Formats: sequence, C-alpha cells, structure tokens
Amino acid sequence: DTGVSQNPRHKITKRGQNVTFRCDPISEHNRLYWYRQTLGQGPEFLTYFQNEAQLEKSRLLSDRFSAERPKGSFSTLEIQRTEQGDSAMYLCASSFFSGGLNEQFFGPGTRLTVL
Amino acid sequence: AQTVTQSQPEMSVQEAETVTLSCTYDTSESDYYLFWYKQPPSRQMILVIRQEAYKQQNATENRFSVNFQKAAKSFSLKISDSQLGDAAMYFCAYRLTSQGAQKLVFGQGTRLTINP
Repeated sequence: DTGVSQNPRHKITKRGQNVTFRCDPISEHNRLYWYRQTLGQGPEFLTYFQNEAQLEKSRLLSDRFSAERPKGSFSTLEIQRTEQGDSAMYLCASSFFSGGLNEQFFGPGTRLTVL
Repeated sequence: AQTVTQSQPEMSVQEAETVTLSCTYDTSESDYYLFWYKQPPSRQMILVIRQEAYKQQNATENRFSVNFQKAAKSFSLKISDSQLGDAAMYFCAYRLTSQGAQKLVFGQGTRLTINP
C-alpha cells in the first residue's frame, strides 16, 4: 500500500524547541495539504501546495510555522519556538489535481505534545 | 465564511441497526462538494461518501447513504446494518468546487459507538 506517510508518528518536545515533520504523498499526486487537529475537534486547514508552489496559507499558520515542498515531492512542516498550544495532531493529505473532485487522501498524522 | 456544524458529539447504535448522523453547513455559495469522512481510532481518515451540490439525487455507497437538503443546508449520513468496524469518529466536510478553493472545512465530529 503506497498511501500517504508521515514521520514521526509521535513527537514530544519541550516548549521553545523547534520541531520538523515530514509528509510523503502518494506518488504522482501534485497537491499536498497540511491540516491541524486538536483534541475533540475536526481538522483545520493550514496550507497547501501544488507541486513546489505554496498556493494558500491559513491565518492559523503563524510566523513560527513554515512549510516547504522542495521539488514537488515530500513536504516538511517546521514549528519554531513551540508553545503548549501547538500540541495537536498534524495531518497531511495529497491529491491528484486534474479538475473535478480532486479527492484528498490523508496520512496517519504526527501527534505533537509540547511540555 | 463557510462553517460546518455537527450537533451530535456522540452516537451509539446496536449492531445491525441503522443510525443517522446529522450535519448542517452555512455557505452563500451554490456550487460545492460535501463529504463524510471516517477516522477510526489511531488510523487515518478515509472518505466514506461524497455529494456534489448540483446533483439532486442523494449519494449512496453500499450501506452508507446521505440525505442532502440543499435549501435547508443539511447533509446527514445514514449507516444501515451497522457493523463493529463502523465504530469511529465521523466528520462532515465542505469544499468549494472552484479550482483555487481546495481547503476542506470540517465539522467537530461525531463519535459513533457500535454496541454488539
């Protein structure tokens, strides 16, 4: 099964540290999305890429957050100077955009705990 | 701004029975998609069923069907012949159809428990 993969699956860090998450989309998928899901809530959109271009960023993505997708393949999401409020599940999804429905396929997520 | 509301934080159903999960949404747009996603414990979210707003016919996928009421902005999910494997969080989601509008807007979720 070559679905969306995310690493690490769990990350525990101390407040003020930087963390980086990786997402590997389904091969051939040209769009990649990041969402954040806090406990008991639905996912919230953070940003998305088409190939290597970042096309939209939510206002949830503060200056401490940065996402990249070099070469239009895998993507990284970095959080600098983590805060306890950053504790959440970070979900990645990918899709093949050719117009139409453009179904998003989700990865298992990275659970971040900030102590 | 578009919003999605799921008013049932938790639901339970006996195995083999039918259950309906509610979802309402708010939008001023006329062209959009609606989705139901399933998120099993510690597993990734998967698409259960989808509905294009321009289609009057309700979508059906095996034991899963929707009741789409566009004027009322309601999109409920019916699960027939519930199985133990249906236990999960269920999220209703909305997305515009325009090419530049890719983000999914999710509701808060409904936790479904299946009683054997």
